[in-house]
Amino acid sequence: GAVVSQHPSRVICKSGTSVKIECRSLDFQATTMFWYRQFPKQSLMLMATSNEGSKATYEQGVEKDKFLINHASLTLSTLTVTSAHPEDSSFYICSARDSRYGYTFGSGTRLTVV
Amino acid sequence: EDQVTQSPEALRLQEGESSSLNCSYTVSGLRGLFWYRQDPGKGPEFLFTLYSAGEEKEKERLKATLTKKESFLHITAPKPEDSATYLCAVQETSGSRLTFGEGTQLTVNP
Repeated sequence: GAVVSQHPSRVICKSGTSVKIECRSLDFQATTMFWYRQFPKQSLMLMATSNEGSKATYEQGVEKDKFLINHASLTLSTLTVTSAHPEDSSFYICSARDSRYGYTFGSGTRLTVV
Repeated sequence: EDQVTQSPEALRLQEGESSSLNCSYTVSGLRGLFWYRQDPGKGPEFLFTLYSAGEEKEKERLKATLTKKESFLHITAPKPEDSATYLCAVQETSGSRLTFGEGTQLTVNP
């Protein structure tokens, strides 16, 4: 089946620094990738949708200058949290979509900003 | 706007005690309804996709059904390893995004 690799699984960073999270589709090419944020005991909230080679589409209320998304190839998307602050601490999950496998999710990244 | 509501929020079962989880949805046009399982600290794991009312799918102790307004995830004779949060999501015909419900946290006691 389809596998999406997300790294790192956990990261702790200092307030004001930037953090990059990678999401790779290992055995398929993803036409579209999605980034979600999940708070404890809550569901997944879509942050943005990205298609390879084009700018990401951000959901209402998501700061595109803070959450930079790059989808440079059909197998790689990155989310960079710029100038992170404690309120950005959360669980971030990526998802990759293709016509054969549908939606496949990464294992998530726990970001803690101290 | 798409809406997905799951109930109950939490469910505790004894091992072997069958039950059902509910997912009610409102979309302008349904392309697909998805069920996922999520373990703590992990990403969602795909279970089923249902496309049209009347459709049913089964996998081991799980069976998903779909009507025009809701979906049920039936769990038959659950085991402790079935403990997880079960998420329901819908995709409408006009787009590729998924809208998730809040999930049902299932605990199966031995």
